[in-house]
Amino acid sequence: AQTVTQSQPEMSVQEAETVTLSCTYDTSESDYYLFWYKQPPSRQMILVIRQEAYKQQNATENRFSVNFQKAAKSFSLKISDSQLGDAAMYFCAYSPLTGTASKLTFGTGTRLQVTL
Amino acid sequence: GAVVSQHPSRVICKSGTSVKIECRSLDFQATTMFWYRQFPKQSLMLMATSNEGSKATYEQGVEKDKFLINHASLTLSTLTVTSAHPEDSSFYICSAFSLWNQPQHFGDGTRLSIL
Repeated sequence: AQTVTQSQPEMSVQEAETVTLSCTYDTSESDYYLFWYKQPPSRQMILVIRQEAYKQQNATENRFSVNFQKAAKSFSLKISDSQLGDAAMYFCAYSPLTGTASKLTFGTGTRLQVTL
Repeated sequence: GAVVSQHPSRVICKSGTSVKIECRSLDFQATTMFWYRQFPKQSLMLMATSNEGSKATYEQGVEKDKFLINHASLTLSTLTVTSAHPEDSSFYICSAFSLWNQPQHFGDGTRLSIL
C-alpha cells in the first residue's frame, strides 16, 4: 500500500520569505502522480501543484515549485515570496497512474503560518 | 474551471436522524466521485469511490450500511449517513473526476454535527 509522510506538523515563515515543506512517499509503482493541496480555514481543498512521476522536470506554478526526487521518493514544496494568504494546511498526496480515476492518499498535513 | 458544489455546507441534527449530503459537478460530467471524511486537525480519509450507475466501492472499515452512496447520474452523487450518532460528527468532502489524467475537483465540504 502507498503511504505519504509529512514530517513537519507546523511551519512558520515571514512574509516575503521562502519556505519548503517536506513530503516523502512509498510506492512500488513506477508511474504515478504527486500533488500538493492547500486547505485554508474555509476547509476548501485547493490544488496547488501536480507532478507526473514520468516527467523529470520539476513542476512550477507561479510562486510554487516542487523538488521531485524520484529515487529518494521525496516531493517537497517550495513557496517563494510568501504571502499572508498562503497560511493554510498543506497536504501532500499520491495517486497511482491508471486508466480511470485513481484514489488519492494524503499525508497528515503541515500547518503553515505566515508572519509579518 | 471545473466546479463541484456540495450541499449542505453545515448540518446540525439530533441523534438517530438520517442526513443526506449532495455532491454535484456543475460544468462537467463526473464518471467517478469520491467521498472523504476529515476529523479535526487530521488528514482526509477516503471513505468510498462512487461510479455512475454502479455500486460504490467502500474502503476497509467503512460501514456501507451506515454510509449509503448513490451515484445516479453523471453530475450527482449523494452520501446518506443513516441513523447518525455523535461519533459520526465530522467534516465530509466530496470530489469529482471527469477525465483520465485530470486532477480531482473538490467540493467545499459539509460539517456534520450530531447532538
